[in-house]
Amino acid sequence: DVKVTQSSRYLVKRTGEKVFLECVQDMDHENMFWYRQDPGLGLRLIYFSYDVKMKEKGDIPEGYSVSREKKERFSLILESASTNQTSMYLCASSLRTSLTEEQYFGPGTRLTVT
Amino acid sequence: SQKIEQNSEALNIQEGKTATLTCNYTNYSPAYLQWYRQDPGRGPVFLLLIRENEKEKRKERLKVTFDTTLKQSLFHITASQPADSATYLCALDPINTGTASKLTFGTGTRLQVTL
Repeated sequence: DVKVTQSSRYLVKRTGEKVFLECVQDMDHENMFWYRQDPGLGLRLIYFSYDVKMKEKGDIPEGYSVSREKKERFSLILESASTNQTSMYLCASSLRTSLTEEQYFGPGTRLTVT
Repeated sequence: SQKIEQNSEALNIQEGKTATLTCNYTNYSPAYLQWYRQDPGRGPVFLLLIRENEKEKRKERLKVTFDTTLKQSLFHITASQPADSATYLCALDPINTGTASKLTFGTGTRLQVTL
């Protein structure tokens, strides 16, 4: 079974702090994604990566950066956390094939910025 | 602008009945459509994928239809059980660029199955 793990289930940070969210997948997937999920807005793509050291902006990249130094690990960085970044953050991975690209999600990190 | 609509109101049905959830989209030409299940406090779990040239797909008690003319997908759970209670998300892949599919998710519909 594919396993996607995230470093924390719950995180509380102060405004202005630098925040690192880590995601690791164990199935050698090429693609990795970071989403945030807010009530009424659904899942929104922040950044994704299709290979080591490659990244592309999603729909809402402002205020975030990412790092992918190893294939299995994809990090989301909030350079200076703000209260409007309080959200549920979900990491996902997928195998790049021409047949199907279902995404496998981690359990999520609920981040609160005070 | 592109839009995916799922009924934001919860769907309440009785155990044993068929649950039908709707996903409508506008200004998309999706290559395929996916359905996910999400339980509270957890990440979504993939259920089914249907391609634009397929009209129907089945997996056990689940059935998905895809009508590209109506721009609509229907998700059916037959013989529903309380354990099927969850939020169900549809997701579209507008363009498969070959690097990675960028799915766009609907906001989901919560299903509540009662005894």
